Amino acid sequence: GAVVSQHPSWVICKSGTSVKIECRSLDFQATTMFWYRQFPKQSLMLMATSNEGSKATYEQGVEKDKFLINHASLTLSTLTVTSAHPEDSSFYICSARDPAVSYNEQFFGPGTRLTVL
Amino acid sequence: GQNIDQPTEMTATEGAIVQINCTYQTSGFNGLFWYQQHAGEAPTFLSYNVLDGLEEKGRFSSFLSRSKGYSYLLLKELQMKDSASYLCAVMDSNYQLIWGAGTKLIIKP
Repeated sequence: GAVVSQHPSWVICKSGTSVKIECRSLDFQATTMFWYRQFPKQSLMLMATSNEGSKATYEQGVEKDKFLINHASLTLSTLTVTSAHPEDSSFYICSARDPAVSYNEQFFGPGTRLTVL
Repeated sequence: GQNIDQPTEMTATEGAIVQINCTYQTSGFNGLFWYQQHAGEAPTFLSYNVLDGLEEKGRFSSFLSRSKGYSYLLLKELQMKDSASYLCAVMDSNYQLIWGAGTKLIIKP
C-alpha cells in the first residue's frame, strides 16, 4: 500500500521560532497533499490542500502567512509554522492522495506532535 | 452546511459486537470512509463505501444507505486492541473529505 512519512515525529520549540514539517510520499507520486491539525479529543481539521507546483488552498480561518505550505515536488510537501506560539501546539498530520487508487483514498502520515513553550 | 454526526463515545465488551452509526449531510457525495485512530497516532483506513449495501472485511463491516444519509461500522469479535476512535468521513462533490468528530470506543474485558 501507499506509504506517507512525516518528519519530525515530534518537536518542541520556543515561542517565536519557526518549525518546518516535511511530508513525503514514499512509493507513489502525490499531486495532492493535505495538511490537518488535531487538538486533543477533537477530530481532524483540514488546514489546507497542497497541489504540486501551485499555491496551496487554505481553509477559512487558517492564516496562510503563518502556515506556509510548499509542494515543490510530487513526493514532498512542507508545512512551516512561522513565529509559533503556545496555541499552535497540536498534532499535525499530512495525507496524500494516490492517483492510482480509484476512490481517492487519502493515505496518512504518522503525524507530528508540536509543542511550543 | 455540511455535517457529519456520530456518537461521542461507546463502550462494549471483549468478544461482543458493536455498531457505530454515522449520519451525514453534505454537498454532493463521492463516497464514505471509516478510519481507525489510536490515541497519539494518525488515522488508518478501514473501509470505503460508495454504493448502497454492506461491505465486509474480516471482523469489520461497513454499511451505506445514500438515500438516508446513513452509514454504520460493525465490529465483531471485539478485541482489546480495537479500543480506539473511529472516524467517519464523507467525500463531497469537490472530492474533499468532511470529517466527523469521531467515536471513542472503549472495550472492557
